[in-house]
Amino acid sequence: DTGVSQDPRHKITKRGQNVTFRCDPISEHNRLYWYRQTLGQGPEFLTYFQNEAQLEKSRLLSDRFSAERPKGSFSTLEIQRTEQGDSAMYLCASSPAGGFSYEQYFGPGTRLTVT
Amino acid sequence: AQSVTQLGSHVSVSEGALVLLRCNYSSSVPPYLFWYVQYPNQGLQLLLKYTSAATLVKGINGFEAEFKKSETSFHLTKPSAHMSDAAEYFCAVPRVTGNQFYFGTGTSLTVIP
Repeated sequence: DTGVSQDPRHKITKRGQNVTFRCDPISEHNRLYWYRQTLGQGPEFLTYFQNEAQLEKSRLLSDRFSAERPKGSFSTLEIQRTEQGDSAMYLCASSPAGGFSYEQYFGPGTRLTVT
Repeated sequence: AQSVTQLGSHVSVSEGALVLLRCNYSSSVPPYLFWYVQYPNQGLQLLLKYTSAATLVKGINGFEAEFKKSETSFHLTKPSAHMSDAAEYFCAVPRVTGNQFYFGTGTSLTVIP
């Protein structure tokens, strides 16, 4: 068990560019979550996958955001036409199937800076 | 809707002193509550969780929290602060479906040598 990993850890991009982040959950965890954390705030839910199915999306996830989880393993979060307001830490978490599914294991996050 | 409120965005304590970080939850919340810790430039690490069993929950690194229904509180404590405890602490509650957490705004703990 190597934990949840995210790549890249840091990303600096210019306004209007597209960015893509990757999350590798703990192996055999079938649930995967994306959160956004802005400075001085707690994480806010963006979206949730169970296996490859995206079951829920927050209103925070505008049309410029898209997330995928092909084959129910790793997930990607893409932001198109980035805006300065997108600058934040993007956190990924996973949890196992069944049992106490409330417990989520978080990755180290990807810090995005839009200039 | 479920929510948690953390009182005090910044707390400073001397090394060796008692740590008390406050969290209050809304009355409609399910009986699950969590505390997470976030060290600089890192993700969130689970400190402890309350799952309707014992009201006094012990976690990692010497932290514990007590669920008090009468006060709708789940405050985090540690008898003796260590320099390594300096971090951001988040109280959280899962939505009923368990598909997401609602986090508090966090409390930044500073430990003074």
